[in-house]
This record gives sequence, C-alpha cells and structure tokens, in this order.
Amino acid sequence: GDSVTQMEGPVTLSEEAFLTINCTYTATGYPSLFWYVQYPGEGLQLLLKATKADDKGSNKGFEATYRKETTSFHLEKGSVQVSDSAVYFCALSPRSGGSYIPTFGRGTSLIVHP
Amino acid sequence: EAQVTQNPRYLITVTGKKLTVTCSQNMNHEYMSWYRQDPGLGLRQIYYSMNVEVTDKGDVPEGYKVSRKEKRNFPLILESPSPNQTSLYFCASSLAGTSGGVTYFGPGTRLTVT
Repeated sequence: GDSVTQMEGPVTLSEEAFLTINCTYTATGYPSLFWYVQYPGEGLQLLLKATKADDKGSNKGFEATYRKETTSFHLEKGSVQVSDSAVYFCALSPRSGGSYIPTFGRGTSLIVHP
Repeated sequence: EAQVTQNPRYLITVTGKKLTVTCSQNMNHEYMSWYRQDPGLGLRQIYYSMNVEVTDKGDVPEGYKVSRKEKRNFPLILESPSPNQTSLYFCASSLAGTSGGVTYFGPGTRLTVT
C-alpha cells in the first residue's frame, strides 16, 4: 500500500536558520503530494501541494518540489521564524485506481528559538 | 466558508459512559474520516467513509463506531470509552477522486476518559 516517511523530530532551529524536512513516499501511479501544518491547539491545514512531477509548491516562504525519480517531496524554508513552530505532515493523495484515501506521514515537530 | 466542524472541542468523561463526537462538513465531500493523534504516534486513522452508507475500518477501529446517514455528517461513537481512548481526535473530509484532492480537517476534540 501507499506510505509516507518523514524525518523524525523534533527539529530545533534558531530564528533565521535554513529548514529542511525530508519526506519520501511509496505509491502506485502518480499521486498528488502535500504538506500540512498543525499549529499548537489547532487542526491540520494545507501548507502547499504539488500535483505532478517537477511541480514546486510554495506558500508562506516554504517550498517543496515533486521529485518523481527519488520519490521525494522535501520541505524547505530559507529563514524560519518563531511563528513557524508547529508540526508538519507530509501526505499523498492517489489520483487513480479507484482508491482516494490520503496517506499521512507521522509528522515532524519544528521548534524555532528566538 | 468551507469548513469541517466538530463538537465538542473538549470532553472529560468516565469509563463506560457512551459518548458521541459530531462532525459536519459543508463542502459536499464524499470522503470523510476520523483520526486520533497521540504523542509519538502521529495520526492514526480510525474509520473512513467513501460516501453515504459506505464506511470502513482504518488502522485502529477497536472501541469505535461510525455512521454515515447523510453526506455532510460523520459522527464518531464510543459505546464504552476506556482510558486508552484518551486522545486528540480529528475529523477530516476531501473530495474523492479530484486531482490534487486537499483534505480539510476539523479543529479537533480533546477527549479525556478517567
């Protein structure tokens, strides 16, 4: 079945540091890929997405590129802020095959210190 | 505004006392799902539904029931709650089969069973 693997946290950074959170996936066909963010006390919300190979999703300074050859969708941000402290989930959603059940990674906690 | 609502947001109950957590979405989504989130374990799917009257078990269905009598509602029922069901619960929905289908999450229900 489909699966998503993301790096374990917590990831602890100082403000203005560069962020990378790794995500790799296993899926049949060509799924859509997502990053969701969960701020403290809230539900998950979409951060960015990419629907085909080489697409780059971006939002709020975060970016991720759909790499079909390495089955990866790593999340990056050039300069993190304290307000970016949250849990980040990588996910995929099938686009064919009759089963559209999304699959989520375990989440990576990011802590940004001033 | 497109949203998934859950009630209650917080609930403290005692072992064995039946409870229902309601979930409703206003986006006409076919797919709805329940997850629980526990520290170190990420999101675990409890039950999901592909459409009205169509439900199926997720990864951790024991001790839970669901029903899908209407497209917009997907209540989670704990017939006899136990302390190991103390957790943070999320309802989610998405438009099954749509390219790049985004999953929308409710704000969460924090359940404590004593």
